[in-house]
Amino acid sequence: DQQVKQNSPSLSVQEGRISILNCDYTNSMFDYFLWYKKYPAEGPTFLISISSIKDKNEDGRFTVFLNKSAKHLSLHIVPSQPGDSAVYFCAARYHNQGGKLIFGQGTELSVKP
Amino acid sequence: DADVTQTPRNRITKTGKRIMLECSQTKGHDRMYWYRQDPGLGLRLIYYSFDVKDINKGEISDGYSVSRQAQAKFSLSLESAIPNQTALYFCATSHGRNGYTFGSGTRLTVV
Repeated sequence: DQQVKQNSPSLSVQEGRISILNCDYTNSMFDYFLWYKKYPAEGPTFLISISSIKDKNEDGRFTVFLNKSAKHLSLHIVPSQPGDSAVYFCAARYHNQGGKLIFGQGTELSVKP
Repeated sequence: DADVTQTPRNRITKTGKRIMLECSQTKGHDRMYWYRQDPGLGLRLIYYSFDVKDINKGEISDGYSVSRQAQAKFSLSLESAIPNQTALYFCATSHGRNGYTFGSGTRLTVV
């Protein structure tokens, strides 16, 4: 069973517009959530994170929102740039299980000029 | 030099062969992980190690084994490779409960 789900395999957005990537989870024991970005032929790289005690975290053009009651988080990229085209993975960490992360399936974002 | 180095970058092997994927890190992290990436399935955890004497199975450990030779080295073995183990394999490290640093991946094809 998939505990972290990204239901949209792909997303296409025009340059300058907002990109919204969504992620749902099922386990209420997750206490920390992260987004990773992956370019072809490279490993994933950390993008932004949020603790379960917060509902928003912002870093430049990237903002992550967490809705605990809905077990849903989203990544907003504003404005989107062609260099943002990549696969984005949502990940969640178990409370009291060290650093182990559970990843979603990924969403491939394409930002068109 | 990369913080997390995986070798080989690409490998084609035959069904039934034993193969080892290697991972080494210079970050001094205590925790190391092996994941595989498959289209539509994302990254799935195979094995993880929180220190040299601690090895744990992940979601999909069947058909795999690991060895933590030193704090900096964590290798993944396929004892008898099969075609559905064709995938992109990633090693990652972390310190404490912080996020991961990933290697660049090993693309393995089993024919």
